[in-house]
Amino acid sequence: EPEVTQTPSHQVTQMGQEVILRCVPISNHLYFYWYRQILGQKVEFLVSFYNNEISEKSEIFDDQFSVERPDGSNFTLKIRSTKLEDSAMYFCASARVEVQHFGDGTRLSIL
Amino acid sequence: GESVGLHLPTLSVQEGDNSIINCAYSNSASDYFIWYKQESGKGPQFIIDIRSNMDKRQGQRVTVLLNKTVKHLSLQIAATQPGDSAVYFCAEVPIIQGAQKLVFGQGTRLTINP
Repeated sequence: EPEVTQTPSHQVTQMGQEVILRCVPISNHLYFYWYRQILGQKVEFLVSFYNNEISEKSEIFDDQFSVERPDGSNFTLKIRSTKLEDSAMYFCASARVEVQHFGDGTRLSIL
Repeated sequence: GESVGLHLPTLSVQEGDNSIINCAYSNSASDYFIWYKQESGKGPQFIIDIRSNMDKRQGQRVTVLLNKTVKHLSLQIAATQPGDSAVYFCAEVPIIQGAQKLVFGQGTRLTINP
């Protein structure tokens, strides 16, 4: 069964550094998403992406965040200057229509 | 407003019993609802979905019930197995059009006792 894959599984970064989280969505999917989950809390929407542009973004997704689909297969989330509060699990999801399929996430730890 | 989720609601059931996990959603205009299962160290895994024009939908060993009057969703798992141990989240979709965001609930941790 096709699945969403995310790399790396764990990223440790110094505060203020840039980080790029990578995702390979399911190949025939059209809609792409990033969510995050702070330890012990619920999953929160960050951004949705369709037709090579952002469809919607949350308040969390400020100017420090960006997304890109550079080559038709990868979908990346960049955080330009990380803060301590960016520490969380980041999940990528993709959908052909409605049902979103999630990857197993990248644990981002900011020191 | 948002609440800080320091403690997940927990449900403990005996193996073989039925489990009922409840969820209150926030937006009366939400049109589509999904239950996800999240095992430790994994991403959310789709279980079952339901549209707002239905009040019940059945899958394999799972049933979702929707009560729009009180904005309540429940997930029933029949004959609970050890592999059902996980955190269960309901998610609502405020509007079905294009790329739609999921709004997740707080989650319930299901523990299966042998």
